[in-house]
Amino acid sequence: GAVVSQHPSRVICKSGTSVKIECRSLDFQATTMFWYRQFPKQSLMLMATSNEGSKATYEQGVEKDKFLINHASLTLSTLTVTSAHPEDSSFYICSARGTGSNSPLHFGNGTRLTVT
Amino acid sequence: KNQVEQSPQSLIILEGKNCTLQCNYTVSPFSNLRWYKQDTGRGPVSLTIMTFSENTKSNGRYTATLDADTKQSSLHITASQLSDSASYICVVSSFNAGNMLTFGGGTRLMVKP
Repeated sequence: GAVVSQHPSRVICKSGTSVKIECRSLDFQATTMFWYRQFPKQSLMLMATSNEGSKATYEQGVEKDKFLINHASLTLSTLTVTSAHPEDSSFYICSARGTGSNSPLHFGNGTRLTVT
Repeated sequence: KNQVEQSPQSLIILEGKNCTLQCNYTVSPFSNLRWYKQDTGRGPVSLTIMTFSENTKSNGRYTATLDADTKQSSLHITASQLSDSASYICVVSSFNAGNMLTFGGGTRLMVKP
């Protein structure tokens, strides 16, 4: 069964609004969570790495003020797309990993964001 | 620079046939290599995870190999089914930087009847 729950699966919002995406680890404590963006027919692009209780580490080119990440607990991380624009429309996926270098990396089912 | 290259980028095969996907990496120091299957519009699902000492690992009709000397991995799919149509992503983890992950570009497989 799914061990990482991502919500919502689809969201449509208007330009200028903010959207929050949740990523929950269901049966393990996720010390590290990752957020990705995926364009059609392309592989995953890592946006940021989130460690519980500390600030997220953003990849080069990703605006931290636009993509707010909060990892307040060992089972929940959120990604908020602020002041969304149509070019933010994409598929966003989270993943979570427990302790240990060989801990499985579990992915959420993704969120399809459409900004109109 | 850590890189993961996958080939081919896309592949079309007939149902029942076998196929092999390739993954070459330059990630160092190497921790582990994972193969994921991603159905369209879904999150990736783990197929196998291989550490330095493992050469072959199977998961049903999927068999992954790893040659740590040449830094190559392959994913072999036997007796393909229509449901195997998906993107297959190779992800390599490094001991550096908190087990940094490097993603391959994926191989898009289409199995036709």
